[in-house]
Amino acid sequence: AQTVTQSQPEMSVQEAETVTLSCTYDTSENNYYLFWYKQPPSRQMILVIRQEAYKQQNATENRFSVNFQKAAKSFSLKISDSQLGDTAMYFCAFARTTTSGTYKYIFGTGTRLKVLA
Amino acid sequence: EAGVVQSPRYKIIEKKQPVAFWCNPISGHNTLYWYLQNLGQGPELLIRYENEEAVDDSQLPKDRFSAERLKGVDSTLKIQPAELGDSAVYLCASSPAETGELFFGEGSRLTVL
Repeated sequence: AQTVTQSQPEMSVQEAETVTLSCTYDTSENNYYLFWYKQPPSRQMILVIRQEAYKQQNATENRFSVNFQKAAKSFSLKISDSQLGDTAMYFCAFARTTTSGTYKYIFGTGTRLKVLA
Repeated sequence: EAGVVQSPRYKIIEKKQPVAFWCNPISGHNTLYWYLQNLGQGPELLIRYENEEAVDDSQLPKDRFSAERLKGVDSTLKIQPAELGDSAVYLCASSPAETGELFFGEGSRLTVL
């Protein structure tokens, strides 16, 4: 069975600084996908960034980038130039495709990030 | 484009009462998920639909929970009877086949007294 571990329940960062959120996972699968989702206070969860396991290049989306270490089963999220709007719960998620092609997800317990003015 | 719509946003009931949650996914998304989210925790899958077929309901407590997705569009999640431990946020998400990205609704927060 797959597991996703986020070992940092809470973190804080000063506005404009850089912060890294950690995530490790366990799986025997070779083909899978990793995601970071963001859940702002009282708002719905949205996708931040996605990584395919077969791609060696780390995904980047504007100020958000990942450090994907497949052998170590590590998938950290780096937020550069942190903004007040980045304050949210961040969930790391593992997904594999099923025989029908849809995705089955496992989520971590989340890291609460607070950006300080 | 309209997002995933859930209702009600909040529901307070007495234990042993029934409750139902409704979800309207994004048009064209054939996969629909219901998740349970406890305070400070990540979402946990209750049931996953591909069109109108429930393809993964292994974590749905079938003695009190039921779900349906008629015509492969809207879905309803029901709890009968509700227990104190059912207090949580019930999230609905839909996903296009191409990317697997989850689009979440705002959730339905249930409080059982």
